[in-house]
Amino acid sequence: EIVMTQSPATLSVSPGEGATLSCRASQSVSSTLAWYQQKPGQPPRLLIYDASTRATGIPARFSGSGSGTEFTLTISSLQSEDFAVYYCQQYNNWHWTFGQGTKVEIK
Amino acid sequence: EVQLVESGGDLVQPGGSLRLSCAASGFTFSNYWMHWVRQVPGKGLVWVSRLNSDGSSTNYADSVKGRFTISRDNAKNTLYLQMNSLRAEDTAVYYCARRHAAGGFFDCWGQGTLVTVSS
Repeated sequence: EIVMTQSPATLSVSPGEGATLSCRASQSVSSTLAWYQQKPGQPPRLLIYDASTRATGIPARFSGSGSGTEFTLTISSLQSEDFAVYYCQQYNNWHWTFGQGTKVEIK
Repeated sequence: EVQLVESGGDLVQPGGSLRLSCAASGFTFSNYWMHWVRQVPGKGLVWVSRLNSDGSSTNYADSVKGRFTISRDNAKNTLYLQMNSLRAEDTAVYYCARRHAAGGFFDCWGQGTLVTVSS
């Protein structure tokens, strides 16, 4: 099983500032990496797929980068609606795995 | 509008069984692979199972293999998860999710249904 490790667990950011979230895979997943946003009481929402492609309707302030084992989700100028938990997910093999999540909270 | 609606969650005793359903609408259900993902309240997401578009190929997480069965009825636009020999650690919100046509990521999720395994 490919283990996905996200850091930090919690990120405190002021509105308008940027945030950088990291995700590391225990072995290479090439670019088969997605990012999701989840707010309390809601299902996850797809943000980024193939490591760097924004999903339909996702604002340009969300960007993804990386390949192999190291990935980054960058949120420029956080808006109030961006405070949530973010998960990475690999889909490189037949056992899909998620990171444990990074909570982005208001500083 | 693309929509997935889960149902069937309930309180069940350890060792019991439950069948979850996921009703799909707004897209051609028979064209898509479907998955189940679960989440213990307050914890992270865990992939459970996957089924291809015609129902002929499945995968399961090791933690549920041999106890859970994923299936679908394309005529009814419905995905199922039959859960047997339930354990306390199966307690979670269960989401059905649609695999995007271009890759193994999930572009549509239901609202989830809560399964509680407790005596």
